[in-house]
Amino acid sequence: NAGVTQTPKFRILKIGQSMTLQCTQDMNHNYMYWYRQDPGMGLKLIYYSVGAGITDKGEVPNGYNVSRSTTEDFPLRLELAAPSQTSVYFCASSETIITDTQYFGPGTRLTVL
Amino acid sequence: RKEVEQDPGPFNVPEGATVAFNCTYSNSASQSFFWYRQDCRKEPKLLMSVYSSGNEDGRFTAQLNRASQYISLLIRDSKLSDSATYLCVVNTGYGQNFVFGPGTRLSVLP
Repeated sequence: NAGVTQTPKFRILKIGQSMTLQCTQDMNHNYMYWYRQDPGMGLKLIYYSVGAGITDKGEVPNGYNVSRSTTEDFPLRLELAAPSQTSVYFCASSETIITDTQYFGPGTRLTVL
Repeated sequence: RKEVEQDPGPFNVPEGATVAFNCTYSNSASQSFFWYRQDCRKEPKLLMSVYSSGNEDGRFTAQLNRASQYISLLIRDSKLSDSATYLCVVNTGYGQNFVFGPGTRLSVLP
């Protein structure tokens, strides 16, 4: 059982480049989330989705976009990468939105130079 | 005031010690509470949910005080493998959902 998978594991971008971080879950969870974690800081919610076709902004959405065309996939798009987007990005999913456990992917370490 | 605050740490304790972490949250409408564990350069993983009546899982005990908006985690008989960062997580049930504290790092020393 793979759980939540993310690709790539590592990436270095130049300022102004774009990329898509991939996230897939095989638990048939309706709820999916993207977080970023800066060194020594807590996780900040970027975007979340409550089901296919439905997404909403979290605390720090600027500079990012998401889509949710299927239950399984929730890609995160970075347009015009900036050094401030250097971070570790975690995708997570949960069965319910309030009381349930979140399952996290292994993360993508992104550096923007 | 930050939504979720935790002891700044780090905590360095010898094996076998008892250690307690504290967490406070600002939103009185918060509905569910969790402790997650995050190993260095890894993803967070659920340690335990926190219930109003308090709950225990082996060497770990979690307490919730809704009146004081305070959550605690007690670890007894610390093991080297307990070394990690412990994240307090609060869910308000609103759009922002799960709000993570900054974490408290624990190092258990031989």
